[in-house]
Amino acid sequence: NAGVMQNPRHLVRRRGQEARLRCSPMKGHSHVYWYRQLPEEGLKFMVYLQKENIIDESGMPKERFSAEFPKEGPSILRIQQVVRGDSAAYFCASSSTGRLNTEAFFGQGTRLTVV
Amino acid sequence: SQQGEEDPQALSIQEGENATMNCSYKTSINNLQWYRQNSGRGLVHLILIRSNEREKHSGRLRVTLDTSKKSSSLLITASRAADTASYFCATDQAGTALIFGKGTTLSVSS
Repeated sequence: NAGVMQNPRHLVRRRGQEARLRCSPMKGHSHVYWYRQLPEEGLKFMVYLQKENIIDESGMPKERFSAEFPKEGPSILRIQQVVRGDSAAYFCASSSTGRLNTEAFFGQGTRLTVV
Repeated sequence: SQQGEEDPQALSIQEGENATMNCSYKTSINNLQWYRQNSGRGLVHLILIRSNEREKHSGRLRVTLDTSKKSSSLLITASRAADTASYFCATDQAGTALIFGKGTTLSVSS
């Protein structure tokens, strides 16, 4: 049973380009969470999705950022017109229940560098 | 900010010593979890303690929870070089997602 898969592991984008980060949850998991981690910082919650639904996007910046989790395929975090401040590690986690009394399984992250 | 706060920010010890990290949070919770992150990697779940529990053990790990003080501690006994990592507490105080603290960076030297 493969764990949470994120790709790419590393992504370099020039300012103004778009970044697409993918996350395939663990088999059987339909709840996905995206977090952002700046250097030497903890993880900041961005968005929580269930298949085809955004449940909580309170941590998402209002502009340029969007997320989806379609019926088929991975969850996508999309950042349009990237700026240097978007450089960070983006982690995806999945869980089977969506209840917070069970562990979340994390991917290895995508490290985005904006040059 | 809804984040919890870990203390200390960084901790350096020798192999064989015990390491204690603390976490404080702001609002009531149903459970608290501890995670480990090795450099450049994702987070790995260590232990979950529910709000009606005061102490929990898992191998060399011991976690305590004091809901009256809104704090938790993680004790790693007989530390090893392989324990070198960052340790984060996470709570469900936001309701829909885990909220993480800034972490404690532990360095264990041999």
